[in-house]
Amino acid sequence: NAGVTQTPKFQVLKTGQSMTLQCAQDMNHEYMSWYRQDPGMGLRLIHYSVGAGITDQGEVPNGYNVSRSTTEDFPLRLLSAAPSQTSVYFCASRRTGGAYGYTFGSGTRLTVV
Amino acid sequence: DQQVKQNSPSLSVQEGRISILNCDYTNSMFDYFLWYKKYPAEGPTFLISISSIKDKNEDGRFTVFLNKSAKHLSLHIVPSQPGDSAVYFCAASWGGAQKLVFGQGTRLTINP
Repeated sequence: NAGVTQTPKFQVLKTGQSMTLQCAQDMNHEYMSWYRQDPGMGLRLIHYSVGAGITDQGEVPNGYNVSRSTTEDFPLRLLSAAPSQTSVYFCASRRTGGAYGYTFGSGTRLTVV
Repeated sequence: DQQVKQNSPSLSVQEGRISILNCDYTNSMFDYFLWYKKYPAEGPTFLISISSIKDKNEDGRFTVFLNKSAKHLSLHIVPSQPGDSAVYFCAASWGGAQKLVFGQGTRLTINP
């Protein structure tokens, strides 16, 4: 059971480039989310999804797009990378109901130069 | 506007003693609170949670206390062990918990 898998683990982009951060979970969880972690800021929600075909914005959505075509996958797209998007990105998932404990992936460290 | 605040960036505790991590919140709509533990280069790991209808929840060495009137929660770890050294985040949610709001984190160091 792999849990939540994020790829790549590290990435360096030039300003203006686009890329997709991949996230896959094999637990059949309905809810999935993307967070970014910056020093002194905790984790901030970028986008989230409550099921296939349903997505919504979080606290810091600008510059990012998401889609959820399957239950398993929730990719995060950076449209035109900026240095302000240098961060560590975490994908998380959980099932509905229960103790509300999200399971997190190990993260993608992104540097935009 | 920081809705969830952890005002202590770091805490150092001797092995075997009690560790107390604190968290304050401002949004009275929050109805569920969680604590996560994070090691370097790993994702956060869910530790323990508490509903707003309770004031205490216990799981082994970990106990979370909620004081709704003060909008304050705390995590107690007894006894503290070296493996507890990590960054601890509190988080809050409301209305079905699709979204979590995190505090800034507290780095806990357990000294032998």
